[in-house]
Amino acid sequence: QLQLQESGPGLVKPSGTLSLICSVSNGSVSSSSYFWGWIRQPPGEGLEWIGSSFYSGPAHYNPSLNSRVTISVDPSKNRFSLKLTSVTAADTAVYFCVRRLAGGWLDFWGQGILVTVSS
Amino acid sequence: EIMLTQSPATLSVSPGERATLSCRASQSVNSDLAWYQQKPGQAPRLVIYDASNRATGIPARFSGSGSGTDFTLTISSLEPEDFAVYYCLQRRDWPLLTFGGGTKVEI
Repeated sequence: QLQLQESGPGLVKPSGTLSLICSVSNGSVSSSSYFWGWIRQPPGEGLEWIGSSFYSGPAHYNPSLNSRVTISVDPSKNRFSLKLTSVTAADTAVYFCVRRLAGGWLDFWGQGILVTVSS
Repeated sequence: EIMLTQSPATLSVSPGERATLSCRASQSVNSDLAWYQQKPGQAPRLVIYDASNRATGIPARFSGSGSGTDFTLTISSLEPEDFAVYYCLQRRDWPLLTFGGGTKVEI
């Protein structure tokens, strides 16, 4: 069955760039049936959709993050990535990578990775 | 932007009892609503999609209802493994997704 695995630094300095990768196993990011995206969850809080992208684009983003976020899909490595610029403590969260069905629902999730923004 | 409001924030119930969770949308989402279950330290899992369809592997004690702006997730007889936080999610506002604030079902 499909597996998603997040990787990246667990600590990012304020004003820096948060960069994460989601590696996909037992499935292909080049499938025409799915989008690939990211969800985040601050400690003790609820879920927030960051954005998602088809393998050939375009990407769609949460308007509250739109100017700071980029999601890219790399079919050659069967993975996709998240970049969030100008981070602050408010960006501290567990970040989940997800598969999004063409119909819209999120059916597979990675285990999540905690990213802390601190000097 | 469509907002989702879940109530109550916390629901205290006993095993074997019925649990009823509510999700209200700020404008109609038709049946474009799903429910997710999240246990501590785990990723959320899809429970109900399209307002009333159980996801693969979800027991029959879970049911969803509603359309438009008012939705309900019912767990007919709570099992110990059902104690978790439940989130609703709308996809009507394509491509944007919005989650509700969650309802914690506790013993």
